[in-house]
Amino acid sequence: KAGVTQTPRYLIKTRGQQVTLSCSPISGHRSVSWYQQTPGQGLQFLFEYFSETQRNKGNFPGRFSGRQFSNSRSEMNVSTLELGDSALYLCASSLVRLAGGSDTQYFGPGTRLTVL
Amino acid sequence: QKEVEQDPGPLSVPEGAIVSLNCTYSNSAFQYFMWYRQYSRKGPELLMYTYSSGNKEDGRFTAQVDKSSKYISLFIRDSQPSDSATYLCAMILLMDSNYQLIWGAGTKLIIKP
Repeated sequence: KAGVTQTPRYLIKTRGQQVTLSCSPISGHRSVSWYQQTPGQGLQFLFEYFSETQRNKGNFPGRFSGRQFSNSRSEMNVSTLELGDSALYLCASSLVRLAGGSDTQYFGPGTRLTVL
Repeated sequence: QKEVEQDPGPLSVPEGAIVSLNCTYSNSAFQYFMWYRQYSRKGPELLMYTYSSGNKEDGRFTAQVDKSSKYISLFIRDSQPSDSATYLCAMILLMDSNYQLIWGAGTKLIIKP
């Protein structure tokens, strides 16, 4: 069974640009969550999508947005990039919503975004 | 004060030693506790999950939760160089029909051969 895939793996952008990251969950998984990981802040939850609807959202500005398609694939968009957006962006999928507690999240390898 | 505190390390121990990794938290309403392992250039992978106070064992790993002290631990017995990674604790707080997931900063563990 293929794992969670994320594209691209590495990305370099300049301030003010926008970027779209893609995540393909494990086949059959309906929940996709996005995280930002930086050395200073650690892992921070961005948002969760389930059945094409955003179900949960972290404390990030509106420049960060996402969507989920009918095949559960998800995209994350960051507009008007800032230097502080440089981070590893991780996507995780699970069979159902993580709120069940016992559900396992499987992470992708991440997209390393560098903003110059 | 962060909701979840975790010493970033690095923690360096010799092969075969027992490793103890810890997190403390401030919100007594956290209900689920997890430990993840993250190798360099990889995403985190779930190691242990628990929801009650006490110990849970899985092979060389034991997760311990003390809700009265708001403290969780992960013990690794007979540590191996392949255990060298960053270990993250995470906690879930259920709120109505939604949840809040809070992560520790991660502890970098180095097992010396």
